[in-house]
Amino acid sequence: AQTVTQSQPEMSVQEAETVTLSCTYDTSESDYYLFWYKQPPSRQMILVIRQEAYKQQNATENRFSVNFQKAAKSFSLKISDSQLGDAAMYFCAYRSLYNYGQNFVFGPGTRLSVLP
Amino acid sequence: DAGITQSPRYKITETGRQVTLMCHQTWSHSYMFWYRQDLGHGLRLIYYSAAADITDKGEVPDGYVVSRSKTENFPLTLESATRSQTSVYFCASTGVGKNTEAFFGQGTRLTVV
Repeated sequence: AQTVTQSQPEMSVQEAETVTLSCTYDTSESDYYLFWYKQPPSRQMILVIRQEAYKQQNATENRFSVNFQKAAKSFSLKISDSQLGDAAMYFCAYRSLYNYGQNFVFGPGTRLSVLP
Repeated sequence: DAGITQSPRYKITETGRQVTLMCHQTWSHSYMFWYRQDLGHGLRLIYYSAAADITDKGEVPDGYVVSRSKTENFPLTLESATRSQTSVYFCASTGVGKNTEAFFGQGTRLTVV
C-alpha cells in the first residue's frame, strides 16, 4: 500500500516571502497522480495543484508550484509571495491509477502560518 | 445546487447510539469515499464505493457501515457510537478520468459523549 509522509507538522512564513512544504511518498507503481490540497479554518478541502507522474515538467498554478522528483519520490509545494489567506492546513495526496480503492492516500498535513 | 453536500455539519451523540451521516453528490461520479480526519493522522479512508451497490473497506472500517443504493448517495452509519469515533468526517467523490481530483463535502464534526 502506498504511504504519504509530510515531515513538517507546522511551518511559518513571513508575508510576501516564499515557503516550501515537503512531501514524500512510497509506491511501487510507475504511473500515478499527486495532489496538494489546502484546508482553511472553514474545513473545506480545496485543490491547490496536481501533478501527473509521467510528466517531467513541474506543475504551476499562479503562486503555487511543485518540485516533483520521481526517482526520489518527493513532491514539494512552493508558495511564492505568501499571503495571509494562504494560512491553512496543507495535505499532500497520492492517487493510484491501478487500485481505485486506495485512491487519494493523504499525508498527515502541514499547518502553515503566515506572519504579517 | 451542484456539488457534494454532507449533513449534518455538526452532531453530538451519546455513546452507544446509532448515527448516520449523509452524503449526496450531483455529478454522477462513480467513486465515493468516506474519510475521517484526526489530528496527526491526516485523512484516513473508512469505506469507498466504486458504483451503486459496490462498497469495500478502507483503512479504518471497524464500527462503521455504508450503503449505496443510488449513485448519488453514500450514507455512513456508526452502529453503536464510541468516543474514539469523535472526529471530523469527510465524504468525497471522483470520476473515472485519470486526471480528476477528489471533490469533498464540507465535513461533519461528530462528537460522541
